[in-house]
Amino acid sequence: DGGITQSPKYLFRKEGQNVTLSCEQNLNHDAMYWYRQDPGQGLRLIYYSQIVNDFQKGDIAEGYSVSREKKESFPLTVTSAQKNPTAFYLCASSIGRLAANTEAFFGQGTRLTVV
Amino acid sequence: AQKITQTQPGMFVQEKEAVTLDCTYDTSDQSYGLFWYKQPSSGEMIFLIYQGSYDEQNATEGRYSLNFQKARKSANLVISASQLGDSAMYFCAMRERTGANNLFFGTGTRLTVIP
Repeated sequence: DGGITQSPKYLFRKEGQNVTLSCEQNLNHDAMYWYRQDPGQGLRLIYYSQIVNDFQKGDIAEGYSVSREKKESFPLTVTSAQKNPTAFYLCASSIGRLAANTEAFFGQGTRLTVV
Repeated sequence: AQKITQTQPGMFVQEKEAVTLDCTYDTSDQSYGLFWYKQPSSGEMIFLIYQGSYDEQNATEGRYSLNFQKARKSANLVISASQLGDSAMYFCAMRERTGANNLFFGTGTRLTVIP
């Protein structure tokens, strides 16, 4: 089945540690996105990538880093510089740019908690 | 300025009744797409319906319809014959044709269906 897989579903991090959230898609989509969702709030864009080996900062990129070495994979690293990392993280993909009429497909999300 | 505004933090509807969730948007692009997503308590984002800026007809998908009023820049979601399973968060989103073609989300509306 085609889709987006995020892992792990739940993640606990000690303060000062870096953690990496995995996102893999087999939809052959060019564009991939990372969003952060805080309780009772909407989604805020962290990073996005339109093609392999290229990515751009979103609205709240500080304290996060990404890579896009393969079309299928777009891992997100939450660094120790992120002051308030506890949140729900959603990865998404879509066909790509120049396609305003295509929806984004989402993974199941990763809930990160700092302990 | 906010690109997507959802002014209803929470809504209640009686089972089998219809409900309208409001969404207004802000863009200077002529070509854009509007989307509605449903987020149940499990967290995944489920695509519901799409409306293109050049579409003359309002989009419909089963019990979902989108009341598109371009001059007012509104894209309200109408759910007919509400079911208990419709209780969830609902997000309006927009993708613009120009620029980086990202998906911007509103803050969401929590819908509760009352038996």
